[in-house]
Amino acid sequence: GESVGLHLPTLSVQEGDNSIINCAYSNSASDYFIWYKQESGKGPQFIIDIRSNMDKRQGQRVTVLLNKTVKHLSLQIAATQPGDSAVYFCAETGRTGRRALTFGSGTRLQVQP
Amino acid sequence: EAGVAQSPRYKIIEKRQSVAFWCNPISGHATLYWYQQILGQGPKLLIQFQNNGVVDDSQLPKDRFSAERLKGVDSTLKIQPAKLEDSAVYLCASSFGLGSGAVETQYFGPGTRLLVL
Repeated sequence: GESVGLHLPTLSVQEGDNSIINCAYSNSASDYFIWYKQESGKGPQFIIDIRSNMDKRQGQRVTVLLNKTVKHLSLQIAATQPGDSAVYFCAETGRTGRRALTFGSGTRLQVQP
Repeated sequence: EAGVAQSPRYKIIEKRQSVAFWCNPISGHATLYWYQQILGQGPKLLIQFQNNGVVDDSQLPKDRFSAERLKGVDSTLKIQPAKLEDSAVYLCASSFGLGSGAVETQYFGPGTRLLVL
């Protein structure tokens, strides 16, 4: 079936460096994408979203890039901080009228001091 | 603004026992979701409510799982009887609920961690 997946299970970066987390999706009908951050013992926390009519969206220290041609999504975190250490999930929803989210399996970001 | 509340936070039961989880969404949110998150995986939708009606329960194992949202506010998810593979975190989320199919941000509660022995 259609799925949302992630390229790397674990990403380790140095504090202050930029982080890039990638995600591939297979559902060509997906029209809305979201990145969530999940810290241990907590529920997913919304970071940033992007609609399929956009290629890029920026937030505070985060940027999401969408490449619909290759069905690829990325999350860029600038000047990564220890507090950014968490599991990051991409999620999508399609034009089916059902607005629940389909999540990928997650990437663990480890920030080294 | 208070977030999504869930209880209990942790539950340990033996297989074949029953268990219930409770969720109180953000005030004013019409849409409520229950997700199951198995360790190392992303959350998977179990059921979606719009007010007190079910929008999607296609992935809910109805032979053992049930959920209700009788007054369109808080919700209960029940498992009876539980199996070992039900060990997971059960997340509740809510969104404003425009009801038009529009995309909305979902806000998650802290989850209930269930261990079935």
